[in-house]
Amino acid sequence: AQSVTQLGSHVSVSEGALVLLRCNYSSSVPPYLFWYVQYPNQGLQLLLKYTSAATLVKGINGFEAEFKKSETSFHLTKPSAHMSDAAEYFCAVSGSGGYQKVTFGTGTKLQVIP
Amino acid sequence: NAGVTQTPKFRVLKTGQSMTLLCAQDMNHEYMYWYRQDPGMGLRLIHYSVGEGTTAKGEVPDGYNVSRLKKQNFLLGLESAAPSQTSVYFCASRTGTSGRAYTGELFFGEGSRLTVL
Repeated sequence: AQSVTQLGSHVSVSEGALVLLRCNYSSSVPPYLFWYVQYPNQGLQLLLKYTSAATLVKGINGFEAEFKKSETSFHLTKPSAHMSDAAEYFCAVSGSGGYQKVTFGTGTKLQVIP
Repeated sequence: NAGVTQTPKFRVLKTGQSMTLLCAQDMNHEYMYWYRQDPGMGLRLIHYSVGEGTTAKGEVPDGYNVSRLKKQNFLLGLESAAPSQTSVYFCASRTGTSGRAYTGELFFGEGSRLTVL
């Protein structure tokens, strides 16, 4: 079985502050891990992915995430928040079942305060 | 580039009515998925397909049926709608898990908002 846990359904940061969104995963096989972003009334789009290459993954819009196997974590960070980063962020895992299924976390809504 | 297209985008049903959501992708992807999104619950997998003519159950398949008669289309059906099926439905597609083209990335449609009264 595979699962992801996102800590914090809502996170608020000031514009220019560090963004840290937490994700812990569970997988019985080496996982593929993803972060997706959803803007209001839109579908999800990929921010970044980990597929067993470099453990530090850089994505779009200045986001990055680090795969830590010992901590089973894949936290998303951005050094300086921008107003346009306000959205909902989903962590996802693929691994068990031959990598056919993709399981999502419950999401974290990021609010950026001016 | 159309990508993944879902129709209809909005629909209101009465309890007991039936309907079909259509998902079409133009990327020649092998895998297609139907998810539902509810507040505080993230995306939950309803059904998925790993190729034309094949389907499989996800986490929450009850009350839904699917068909994949053509590679580019994945239909989600509700035979007898219930208020608990009020949700936003997302279709997604991706390449298969073999070969150099596999990245694991899902490509999503814009969603179909269904209300069951």
